[in-house]
Amino acid sequence: AQSVTQLGSHVSVSEGALVLLRCNYSSSVPPYLFWYVQYPNQGLQLLLKYTTGATLVKGINGFEAEFKKSETSFHLTKPSAHMSDAAEYFCAVSVFGANSKLTFGKGITLSVRP
Amino acid sequence: KAGVTQTPRYLIKTRGQQVTLSCSPISGHRSVSWYQQTPGQGLQFLFEYFSETQRNKGNFPGRFSGRQFSNSRSEMNVSTLELGDSALYLCASSIGTSGGARETQYFGPGTRLLVL
Repeated sequence: AQSVTQLGSHVSVSEGALVLLRCNYSSSVPPYLFWYVQYPNQGLQLLLKYTTGATLVKGINGFEAEFKKSETSFHLTKPSAHMSDAAEYFCAVSVFGANSKLTFGKGITLSVRP
Repeated sequence: KAGVTQTPRYLIKTRGQQVTLSCSPISGHRSVSWYQQTPGQGLQFLFEYFSETQRNKGNFPGRFSGRQFSNSRSEMNVSTLELGDSALYLCASSIGTSGGARETQYFGPGTRLLVL
């Protein structure tokens, strides 16, 4: 079975500072990895995903993530935080054969200070 | 294209009642998945339907059931509601034809269910 660990439940950064949200996964087979964002009272929106190929993945709104197999990690970064980035962020994993089932981490709430 | 729509958006029920939630996927999408989101348990997979067949199922009791219609619209039903069923229920759709694991899931805004 697959699992995702997102350490910490809350991250606070200043506007313009680097955003780093950590995600570690566990999977016995090659994983497909996703980052989703959820704004209050809304559903989830895909930021980026890794399936195969290039390990550095660029997503929407200036976010990117790097798949590191040796570290079983898929950390999300953004060079400069904006107030509008304040939201909850979820890392998720799926694997071939699991069809559309996503296994999510607990989520991290990002706050951005002016 | 219109996004994933879910109805109703909010629902209040009492213990012991049953409830039906509806999800309309993005046009052309044949896979519909359901998730339960609670503060304590986070996002948990309920089940997935593809071409009117349940293709995958999470670890929820039999009180939780679903179905999919020929137009890909899906409903989920919860019978004999318990207080712990209070949650945001999210529906997600994807094309589904390649097995689904690599595909982007597009989520609806959710139905917030409160059980009193």
